[in-house]
Amino acid sequence: DAGVIQSPRHEVTEMGQEVTLRCKPISGHNSLFWYRQTMMRGLELLIYFNNNVPIDDSGMPEDRFSAKMPNASFSTLKIQPSEPRDSAVYFCASSFGDNQPQHFGDGTRLSIL
Amino acid sequence: GEDVEQSLFLSVREGDSSVINCTYTDSSSTYLYWYKQEPGAGLQLLTYIFSNMDMKQDQRLTVLLNKKDKHLSLRIADTQTGDSAIYFCAERGSSNTGKLIFGQGTTLQVKP
Repeated sequence: DAGVIQSPRHEVTEMGQEVTLRCKPISGHNSLFWYRQTMMRGLELLIYFNNNVPIDDSGMPEDRFSAKMPNASFSTLKIQPSEPRDSAVYFCASSFGDNQPQHFGDGTRLSIL
Repeated sequence: GEDVEQSLFLSVREGDSSVINCTYTDSSSTYLYWYKQEPGAGLQLLTYIFSNMDMKQDQRLTVLLNKKDKHLSLRIADTQTGDSAIYFCAERGSSNTGKLIFGQGTTLQVKP
């Protein structure tokens, strides 16, 4: 079975550019989570969706970050404009219901120069 | 607030048992999880335990939960070099949301 699929795996771009990260959850899962991992702050939940509806976005750092889930099989996390401090590994995870174990993708390693 | 603490590093010899410890603060935690992260990869769910259990065993893995002391441990029997990775403890709190609180991770080094 296919797991959570994220793209791109790596992204290097200059500050000020728009960055879009993509995620395809496991088929049948109706909860989707976006996390950020850094050495300094560890794993942080940015936002999560249940049945395509954002439930908790309290972890989104600031207005430069936005996330959408237009349908059950696709979500995007957008940063505009990007800054060097946004450099991190961004993970997407999904679960069957928001109280079930979460399954993670392999992440997108983002570097903002 | 909710917090999860782990020691940062553990080194063992191949064939020995490894015990990774975790403490948490939310006494209303419902589920507690162990994830494994290998270099360049995402987090792989290893096992989880419901808060009304005190032990769960799955092949080489044994999870112990002391709810009174808010202490969770993961024992890996017969540790292999392939077990070298970062291990994360996570709790699902009482807020009835999907939010997991992760510890900072324990790096397990297995020496041949």
